[in-house]
Amino acid sequence: DADVTQTPRNRITKTGKRIMLECSQTKGHDRMYWYRQDPGLGLRLIYYSFDVKDINKGEISDGYSVSRQAQAKFSLSLESAIPNQTALYFCATSDFPTGISDTQYFGPGTRLTVL
Amino acid sequence: AQSVTQPDIHITVSEGASLELRCNYSYGATPYLFWYVQSPGQGLQLLLKYFSGDTLVQGIKGFEAEFKRSQSSFNLRKPSVHWSDAAEYFCAVGASNTDKLIFGTGTRLQVFP
Repeated sequence: DADVTQTPRNRITKTGKRIMLECSQTKGHDRMYWYRQDPGLGLRLIYYSFDVKDINKGEISDGYSVSRQAQAKFSLSLESAIPNQTALYFCATSDFPTGISDTQYFGPGTRLTVL
Repeated sequence: AQSVTQPDIHITVSEGASLELRCNYSYGATPYLFWYVQSPGQGLQLLLKYFSGDTLVQGIKGFEAEFKRSQSSFNLRKPSVHWSDAAEYFCAVGASNTDKLIFGTGTRLQVFP
């Protein structure tokens, strides 16, 4: 089984709808992240969480919200989806045992299309 | 502020040829540098990373990268490319006081038989 899973893998929705993307991990990591990937722009950080009680905005958090339900679960919500939120969304986790940046482990991605 | 530049958007090589993907970073202190690969329809997988020590680092799948502080570069190399290496490659930089990574815009590698 994959260590980082995302559901759904693909979603098509309409403008104005509320959408939730879910991420689960079995790696036991405290740190979780949500990124979006757009062609030519690479990955951009939306939100990140260093533990269940710690949520932080990334560089492009407007229009998004998150919930860290447990150490293993981190959900991303689009309260009112708009077409320019059409993108590939990735969840990632990392362990931070030594106080330095370390490897992030990515889920397979969710392709979201907003019509 | 940290930043990463991957100057090549798209590279095409023949199978068996050597490969070098460029990455330049901007960071005031010693950076933590990563190369990730994204195969079609997949998430990102770590190829290799540099934190300190030997400036030539070996990764998975026969890849290596060299950290050159004087040039602010961390180029990825492979001596002989295989068709299965066709993918998108991302360079990323991290910092000592945070666990956030800044990603470059990626280089798409196409391999011809």
